[in-house]
Amino acid sequence: GAVVSQHPSRVICKSGTSVKIECRSLDFQATTMFWYRQFPKQSLMLMATSNEGSKATYEQGVEKDKFLINHASLTLSTLTVTSAHPEDSSFYICSAIPGPNEKLFFGSGTQLSVL
Amino acid sequence: SQQGEEDPQALSIQEGENATMNCSYKTSINNLQWYRQNSGRGLVHLILIRSNEREKHSGRLRVTLDTSKKSSSLLITASRAADTASYFCATEGGQDSWGKLQFGAGTQVVVTP
Repeated sequence: GAVVSQHPSRVICKSGTSVKIECRSLDFQATTMFWYRQFPKQSLMLMATSNEGSKATYEQGVEKDKFLINHASLTLSTLTVTSAHPEDSSFYICSAIPGPNEKLFFGSGTQLSVL
Repeated sequence: SQQGEEDPQALSIQEGENATMNCSYKTSINNLQWYRQNSGRGLVHLILIRSNEREKHSGRLRVTLDTSKKSSSLLITASRAADTASYFCATEGGQDSWGKLQFGAGTQVVVTP
């Protein structure tokens, strides 16, 4: 079946550095991908919708300059957490959909720890 | 923003027992999906029920959907220790929201041998 690959699975970084997370659809083209964040023992919160070839759409309260999303090709979206701080430590997970009304596929997630 | 609530927040049962959890949502939906998440891991898609369906089965899973009450339930029959996980419902909304999911708060299920 279709697979979405997310990399890295775990990253530890120092406060102030930037971290890039990749989300790839391996066997289908995804014009739309989604990024979620999950704090410990909480639910997944949608951060933004990543649209191939255009700007991402951010949910209310998500800083677009803090969380840079690039969807430069039909199989790759990246999320860059800029100038990371300890409060950005979280589990980030992406999803991709081949097209409207089709099955959604999730990546395996990235655990970000900012020291 | 979170779509709805899940009930209960936590559930502790013994192997062989059934586990039932409920999910409520607020807006109109195209479908409702249930996912499982083991601690610190990715999501596993369990079942999808469309807005025009009332009940769906998959192995030991039974899902119901009541759109008039904006609620859904997930029943896991004959539970196993391996069913220990957090379970989330997620709704997919209108025509412009394909793939965009709103998750419930989740139910943490612990199945003891």
